Amino acid sequence: GENVEQHPSTLSVQEGDSAVIKCTYSDSASNYFPWYKQELGKRPQLIIDIRSNVGEKKDQRIAVTLNKTAKHFSLHITETQPEDSAVYFCAASNWGNNDMRFGAGTRLTVKP
Amino acid sequence: GAVVSQHPSWVICKSGTSVKIECRSLDFQATTMFWYRQFPKQSLMLMATSNEGSKATYEQGVEKDKFLINHASLTLSTLTVTSAHPEDSSFYICSARDIRRAKNTEAFFGQGTRLTVV
Repeated sequence: GENVEQHPSTLSVQEGDSAVIKCTYSDSASNYFPWYKQELGKRPQLIIDIRSNVGEKKDQRIAVTLNKTAKHFSLHITETQPEDSAVYFCAASNWGNNDMRFGAGTRLTVKP
Repeated sequence: GAVVSQHPSWVICKSGTSVKIECRSLDFQATTMFWYRQFPKQSLMLMATSNEGSKATYEQGVEKDKFLINHASLTLSTLTVTSAHPEDSSFYICSARDIRRAKNTEAFFGQGTRLTVV
């Protein structure tokens, strides 16, 4: 089955700096890659997603890149703010198998 | 986004008893629901995937007789932890998606259930 690895497990940045979180996946059939943000005590919320037919997607300060050949995708947050502090999860989904597997999560701390 | 409601949000039960957790999609039809277990400061571990009207597909290492999953309708899935033991104490969270909507493969999460077995 699919195996998703995520790095780093913790990330601390200064407010205004950029943050990058990287994930790799094992199943070349995976075709949907969402990123979720989970604040303390709350449910995960989708922040951005990318499908396998595109290489990059951007939404204001958040961008995701996908390299299908290398089977890795990354989340980029620019101009970080303290409210970006949370745990971020990447996931990979295979439409045919209809499952969704998550990486181990990255705890991002943005210092004011 | 769509709303997924999970109930109860927390429950304390005695060892040996069973606990049922409900996951409802309130404003869309969930053809697929996922059940995850999350330990403190850890990731979401997929336990099983359930499709409406069919048996759930369990992940390796997850006991299907212990974690009973029912997805009888397009808006409701239940997880029953049978004969609960203290090691079953955890945060259980569901998510739902409608795979018939080709352009929308996002999964929406419930608020989770904190289970404590004493």
